[in-house]
Amino acid sequence: DSGVTQTPKHLITATGQRVTLRCSPRSGDLSVYWYQQSLDQGLQFLIQYYNGEERAKGNILERFSAQQFPDLHSELNLSSLELGDSALYFCASSPPWGNYGYTFGSGTRLTVV
Amino acid sequence: QKEVEQDPGPLSVPEGAIVSLNCTYSNSAFQYFMWYRQYSRKGPELLMYTYSSGNKEDGRFTAQVDKSSKYISLFIRDSQPSDSATYLCAMISNSGNTPLVFGKGTRLSVIA
Repeated sequence: DSGVTQTPKHLITATGQRVTLRCSPRSGDLSVYWYQQSLDQGLQFLIQYYNGEERAKGNILERFSAQQFPDLHSELNLSSLELGDSALYFCASSPPWGNYGYTFGSGTRLTVV
Repeated sequence: QKEVEQDPGPLSVPEGAIVSLNCTYSNSAFQYFMWYRQYSRKGPELLMYTYSSGNKEDGRFTAQVDKSSKYISLFIRDSQPSDSATYLCAMISNSGNTPLVFGKGTRLSVIA
C-alpha cells in the first residue's frame, strides 16, 4: 500500500456520461497530481493542486476538471465522455519540500463503451 | 522532439542477465532524475532517485546520469523474473513549478 488511495478501481460507463474519480493523498503530502496513462501516449500530466490551489496544468481537456478539498483529497471530473477517454487515471502525491518524486496510487481504470 | 525519449521495447532477457535501460532528454533544466517500476495493472513505484550527474547504486540497481549528453541509464544486475515490469524514467527541474515528465516506459521481461 503506497498510502495514496484511489477510488473506484474500475469504472465502465457509456459515451456522453460524467464520472468522478477520487484520490486521497499520502499523509503529510500537500500536492496532488493527476495523470492519464494510455498504451500509445504513456503517462500524461493533467493537473496539479497544492494545498487546495491549482498549481500547474497540462494537456487537460476542457471536458475535464479537478479540485482539491480542505481535507486535501482531490476529485477529477470527466464529462461528455468519449471512447478515447478510456485509460488508466493515476493520482500521485508529494510532500511540500524537495523534489523527491511522487507516490502513486493504484489507479482507476476507466472504460467508455 | 519530445522532452523525454525512451525506447518502449519490449526487451526480453534470460534470468541472470545485465539489463540496460536508457532515456534521453532535451530540457537542460532537468536536475532530478528518477526511475519508476510499474507492474501490470498497478501504479508506478519509485525505484531510484538521482540528483544531477553521477551514479547511484542500490542493491542490484545502478542509476547513471550524464547531463552533458542528456542521457540517463538504469542497470539491473543478476536480473530476476520478478524484475519483469515496465520501467519509466522521469525527470524534473529545480524550479518546483513544473511536474514530473515521464518517458513512455520500457517493457522488460526476464525469462527463467
